Order: sequence, then C-alpha cells, then structure tokens
Amino acid sequence: EVQLVESGGGLVQPGRSLKLSCAASGFTFSNYYMAWVRQAPKKGLEWVATISTSGSRTYYPDSVKGRFTISRDNAKSSLYLQMNSLKSEDTATYYCARGHSYAQTGYFDYWGQGVMVTVSS
Amino acid sequence: DIQLTQSPSSMSASLGDRVSLTCQSSQGIGNYLSWYQHKPGKPPKPMIYYATNLADGVPSRFSGSRSGSDYSLTISSLESEDTAIYYCLQYDEYPWTFGGGTKLELK
Repeated sequence: EVQLVESGGGLVQPGRSLKLSCAASGFTFSNYYMAWVRQAPKKGLEWVATISTSGSRTYYPDSVKGRFTISRDNAKSSLYLQMNSLKSEDTATYYCARGHSYAQTGYFDYWGQGVMVTVSS
Repeated sequence: DIQLTQSPSSMSASLGDRVSLTCQSSQGIGNYLSWYQHKPGKPPKPMIYYATNLADGVPSRFSGSRSGSDYSLTISSLESEDTAIYYCLQYDEYPWTFGGGTKLELK
C-alpha cells in the first residue's frame, strides 16, 4: 500500500525557516517524481515544487522560488521541503504528492494527509 | 503563466442530476489536465488524468472530456458523496497551475 506521511509542520515566526519531511512507503520511491502542494486557509490548491527522480531537476512557481528548496533522499525514501524567509502568506496545509509516471509527472496519484504550517509572530 | 478558469465557482444540484464542471485554459495545454476532488480535512483525491482518463477506483459515473481549450468533468448521476470542491490542474508547462475550484453542493 502506498503511503506518504508528512511531518515537521508547526508555528514559526515570519522570516524564520522550517523543513518539512515526507516519508514514503509501499512503492519504489526512486522511480517517481515527487511534489509539494499547499492550501492556504479558505483558499484553493497551489502547486509548490516538483523534483525529478534523481533530484537533479527541481521546479517552483515564482511565489516560492529562491525561498523554498525541494530535495529527496532516495536511500531513505524521503522527500523534503526546506522553507526559508517564511511569510504569513505561506501559512497553509502542505501536502506531499507522487507523480503518476514519467509521462504524467503532474498527475498526482497519491497524496499524504497534509501537515499544517502557520507563520505568525 | 497558464491560467485555468473554473466555472461555475459554486453550484447546487439534486441527487441523480447530470452535472458538468468546466475548466478553461488560457493557453493550449493539450491533454495535460487532471481533476481532483477535495473534501474538508482530507487530501485531494485524483479523479481524472490526461483530460479523459479515469483514475483508479473512481466510479464510472465520473468522466472527463475536452473541447479545444475547454475541459469538463461530468458526473452522470449525482450522489451525496460527490459533494466537494473540484479542482483542475494543468501540467503541460511550468509553473503548473490549479484552477480556482468549483464547490458542488446538494440542493
């Protein structure tokens, strides 16, 4: 059974950093693109980052580029999101998601339960 | 960036109704569009990928279609469990973008 379990969320002050983790199991992690998607309170879904199977390619929207870094450890079947210079607008539930296949990397077929990040003083 | 416009933003329908939700793309994205069902307190659930393909385990009353730059998610006969917010996502070009969502409620 495919499982994605996020951790590392919490309350953080503006300008500080936080690192999210996603532990994957039930599939060969190194074969799949992975991504982070977030939902701010009472807002819609927003794609945050994607990483290739080897980790050599990463992609971000302008809203987080230069502040967030997605990474992975295939030996540990783990995905990470390092978030720096956090802003109040980064307050959201963050989901870890798996890209379905090489031809459908943007189709997220499995999602974690989500982890809440609150940026507030 | 590619913009996806979902319509309507909210709607209500009766049990058994045929319901169609629309997602219009600002640029050509081919079939690189997926649909997700999102209920409060749960992660999004994949429904449709590559515009017309049903995700694993999704009931056959759901279907996806495309006409030019307009994409639709159709429920042939609405059931109570279908109430949720539905989002489309384009993954043809970075940055990938979601539509604003359609909230579907029971009348």
